Amino acid sequence: AQSVTQPDIHITVSEGASLELRCNYSYGATPYLFWYVQSPGQGLQLLLKYFSGDTLVQGIKGFEAEFKRSQSSFNLRKPSVHWSDAAEYFCAVGAQGGGGNKLTFGTGTQLKVEL
Amino acid sequence: KAGVTQTPRYLIKTRGQQVTLSCSPISGHRSVSWYQQTPGQGLQFLFEYFSETQRNKGNFPGRFSGRQFSNSRSEMNVSTLELGDSALYLCASREQGANTGELFFGEGSRLTVL
Repeated sequence: AQSVTQPDIHITVSEGASLELRCNYSYGATPYLFWYVQSPGQGLQLLLKYFSGDTLVQGIKGFEAEFKRSQSSFNLRKPSVHWSDAAEYFCAVGAQGGGGNKLTFGTGTQLKVEL
Repeated sequence: KAGVTQTPRYLIKTRGQQVTLSCSPISGHRSVSWYQQTPGQGLQFLFEYFSETQRNKGNFPGRFSGRQFSNSRSEMNVSTLELGDSALYLCASREQGANTGELFFGEGSRLTVL
């Protein structure tokens, strides 16, 4: 069964500092990987996705993530954090093929940005 | 295009009651999935519907059910509510043929069970 681990429950960074959120997955084949962001009281917004090809993917709001098969990781990065980035971030893995619409989510990382 | 629309946004029920939540997917999307989000369990997959047929089901008791209509709108129902059913219920849709798992989420229906 697929699983996702986000080891950091809370992260605090200063505005303008760089950010890296960790994500490790477990899946038997090549996974589909996603990062979603959730602001308080809101649904989930897709930041970026990896299906195949270039292992460094660019997303919205200046985020990027790198797929590393050898480490089973898909860490999210941003070179300079803005106060509006404060939110909860979820990494998710989806199965290829017929089960492609079922995502397994990590427990989330709550990001706090200090001004 | 309008996004995924969920109604109601907030509701309060008491134990033993039942509840029905509604979801209208993005126009043209025929697949609808439901997720439950709680502080303790995180985001958990409930079920997925495509063309009025349930395709996937998560590990939830039979009190949780759903359906999809011919216009792709979906409803989920929870019967005999328990305190632990208090959660944010998220609906998500995706494009037909986009078997890549990318989902578009609504803002959710927040259910409180007293």
